[in-house]
Amino acid sequence: QVQLVQAGAEFKKPGASVKVSCKASGYAFNVYYIHWVRQAPGQGLEWMGWISPDSGGANYAQRFQGRVTMTRDTSISTVYMEVSSLKSDDTAVYYCARVHLGSYYYDYWGQGTLVTVSS
Amino acid sequence: QSALTQPASVSGSPGQSITISCTGTSSDVGTSNLVSWYQQHPDKAPKIIVFEGTKRPSGVTNRFSGSKSGNTASLTISGLQPEDEADYFCCSYAGGSAWMFGGGTKVTVL
Repeated sequence: QVQLVQAGAEFKKPGASVKVSCKASGYAFNVYYIHWVRQAPGQGLEWMGWISPDSGGANYAQRFQGRVTMTRDTSISTVYMEVSSLKSDDTAVYYCARVHLGSYYYDYWGQGTLVTVSS
Repeated sequence: QSALTQPASVSGSPGQSITISCTGTSSDVGTSNLVSWYQQHPDKAPKIIVFEGTKRPSGVTNRFSGSKSGNTASLTISGLQPEDEADYFCCSYAGGSAWMFGGGTKVTVL
């Protein structure tokens, strides 16, 4: 069965970087785009960007450009998202989500990774 | 880009129907039928309930239905059930390879 499994919670100080992982299984990794979405405590969902696991090409939401980098390792079917220069308002649950082939919706989600930024 | 506009909360009694709106612009919601809707229960990942404006994935109850008029997409929940109490988010392709979400609507079953 399709699964996206994310790493455990992270605690970081302001100014640091965090790299969140998302390991895919149960399907052809290279075929499906992966997006990253975050949710601050008690807030809504915020789209961050996507990566093509096949080419490694990525596209980021304007507000994260220059601060977010998405990469992948095809040998272990894992995508990563790194956020640099962390601020307290980056505290959120970060989700990876798979885009359904040929459409524009997320059919599978990771369980989320809580990133807490605090001094 | 600003988030799509949703009402903060909607409530209804069991068995009633409620509708959640999602208003965007001619550059996103209005330009195509690529709006999806997600249900999120507390401390859970979102779950797809409607895609491409009006379609339901297999296994999703037909009590959920989607529609669109102009720059506004809507999600209707018919025959409201206690388990429908959750947060609901719309999402749209926004052009230029970007996507965007609505601010979310909390549905309360009275």
